[in-house]
Amino acid sequence: EAQVTQNPRYLITVTGKKLTVTCSQNMNHEYMSWYRQDPGLGLRQIYYSMNVEVTDKGDVPEGYKVSRKEKRNFPLILESPSPNQTSLYFCASSPRTGVNQPQHFGDGTRLSIL
Amino acid sequence: AQKITQTQPGMFVQEKEAVTLDCTYDTSDQSYGLFWYKQPSSGEMIFLIYQGSYDEQNATEGRYSLNFQKARKSANLVISASQLGDSAMYFCAMREGGSGGYNKLIFGAGTRLAVHP
Repeated sequence: EAQVTQNPRYLITVTGKKLTVTCSQNMNHEYMSWYRQDPGLGLRQIYYSMNVEVTDKGDVPEGYKVSRKEKRNFPLILESPSPNQTSLYFCASSPRTGVNQPQHFGDGTRLSIL
Repeated sequence: AQKITQTQPGMFVQEKEAVTLDCTYDTSDQSYGLFWYKQPSSGEMIFLIYQGSYDEQNATEGRYSLNFQKARKSANLVISASQLGDSAMYFCAMREGGSGGYNKLIFGAGTRLAVHP
């Protein structure tokens, strides 16, 4: 089954404790992206990647890191999480970049930073 | 300025009736794509329908259709014959063509739809 898989689905942690949210897609998509969803704000892009070893900042990159060493994986790293990073996070992918490319989303990761 | 505006925070509809969810957008690009996503209470984001800026026909996917009015910059989602399972949050989103805008989806704030039996 074609899918985008995120882990963990839920995480409660404390300020400053490094964490990684994994994202993997099995569709051979070139493009991958991370979004955060906050009430009343819709989804906002954190980072994206157009292909292996090609990443760039989105609208809200502060406090996050990413890497794209393999085509299928695009982990999101919070080196020193803070409470304002409490949010619902989505990984998404599409075959390529382009205006006609719908992005396929993972099921989301709900992070709570205490 | 908001790129995507969804003016209806919440909507109610009776089961089996049709409902229209509004979306207006703002872009100076000639090439762009418009998308609708559904987010049920379980949280996942489900792609529903796509409309390209150069498409002359309104997009349709089963019970979903997109009422695309380019001059008015609106891309309203029409759900026909509503079902209880349509109760969810609905997001309008856009991918622009210029200056790397195609590298992200810009989302509206969403409309929460409740279908009543």
